[in-house]
Amino acid sequence: DGGITQSPKYLFRKEGQNVTLSCEQNLNHDAMYWYRQDPGQGLRLIYYSQIVNDFQKGDIAEGYSVSREKKESFPLTVTSAQKNPTAFYLCASSIARGAQYFGPGTRLTVL
Amino acid sequence: GQQVMQIPQYQHVQEGEDFTTYCNSSTTLSNIQWYKQRPGGHPVFLIQLVKSGEVKKQKRLTFQFGEAKKNSSLHITATQTTDVGTYFCAELGNTPLVFGKGTRLSVIA
Repeated sequence: DGGITQSPKYLFRKEGQNVTLSCEQNLNHDAMYWYRQDPGQGLRLIYYSQIVNDFQKGDIAEGYSVSREKKESFPLTVTSAQKNPTAFYLCASSIARGAQYFGPGTRLTVL
Repeated sequence: GQQVMQIPQYQHVQEGEDFTTYCNSSTTLSNIQWYKQRPGGHPVFLIQLVKSGEVKKQKRLTFQFGEAKKNSSLHITATQTTDVGTYFCAELGNTPLVFGKGTRLSVIA
């Protein structure tokens, strides 16, 4: 099956800890994205990558970091510098400027 | 930066009634994509509009791109409970997608 996967579905962490969210795709898409969604809100772009070994900051990159060492993988680290990390995190991929395909998301709760 | 404004924020309809959500911009949009997110789920791509005045239909859904390419709409005819969710428009400009805040649709059976 082709698709985009995120793990875990739910994640709990203590305040002050870094946490890494996984995103993998086997759609052979060049571009990958990370969004944050807060209750009742739209999607805000954290980081995006249009090609391996390159990525760009989105609108709310502060407190987050990413890497793109492989075409299939785009992990997101939520660092302790992120002041309000509790949110729903969505990863997506696309072919160039086409439709974005989203993973099922990870709900992060920081206690 | 780029902004797309969606109205209304919420809409409650009786099953069988029609529903429309609007996406507006103060600047010309290069193209518009529409997504649907079911409660607890992730956004799913519905359609992309590129041409001025473009109209596309998917069963009971009609998507329209304004003549001036500054607005777009999604109309659902005779809503069903399966239409429940949040509908987002998004503009794909020179930077990655800029999403509107969405319209949350509730359908009362």
